[in-house]
Amino acid sequence: AQSVAQPEDQVNVAEGNPLTVKCTYSVSGNPYLFWYVQYPNRGLQFLLKYITGDNLVKGSYGFEAEFNKSQTSFHLKKPSALVSDSALYFCAVRAPYGNNRLAFGKGNQVVVIP
Amino acid sequence: DAGVIQSPRHEVTEMGQEVTLRCKPISGHDYLFWYRQTMMRGLELLIYFNNNVPIDDSGMPEDRFSAKMPNASFSTLKIQPSEPRDSAVYFCASSYSGSSYEQYFGPGTRLTVT
Repeated sequence: AQSVAQPEDQVNVAEGNPLTVKCTYSVSGNPYLFWYVQYPNRGLQFLLKYITGDNLVKGSYGFEAEFNKSQTSFHLKKPSALVSDSALYFCAVRAPYGNNRLAFGKGNQVVVIP
Repeated sequence: DAGVIQSPRHEVTEMGQEVTLRCKPISGHDYLFWYRQTMMRGLELLIYFNNNVPIDDSGMPEDRFSAKMPNASFSTLKIQPSEPRDSAVYFCASSYSGSSYEQYFGPGTRLTVT
């Protein structure tokens, strides 16, 4: 079964500094990978995905993620963090065949300090 | 499109009462998912449907929980009888098999059982 690990509980970063949220995955076959963001009292919002092609994927709000097959990682990045980026971030993986479940990580709380 | 619609947004009920949560997926989406989110357990998949048919209900905690999807535009999650440990935020999400299966989430129903 597919799974995701988000090793850090909370990521603190100063406004204007680069932001990285880490994610590693386990799945049989080529993965479908996703990042979601959740603001307080809101549902999860889709940020970006990797299915195939260029390993660097660009998404909403200036976020990007890099797929690394050898390290089974899909880290989320933003060159310059904003206070408004403070939220809960979830990584998710789906196997390329079989069931349509997404396996979500436990989430990382990102705090951007003004 | 209005996105995934859930009702009610908040529900407070007493232990032993029946609770019904409602979801309207995005038009044209053929998959519908029910999740539960708590601080202790994070985001859990309860059940999902494909073309109105339940595919995987292995996440449904016990017989007190049931879900239906009578047509492509409506689904319910029912808890009978409710217990305090059912207090959580319940999310509905939908996706389309013709895309890359990213799921789109509703705003959630915050359930409090006293």
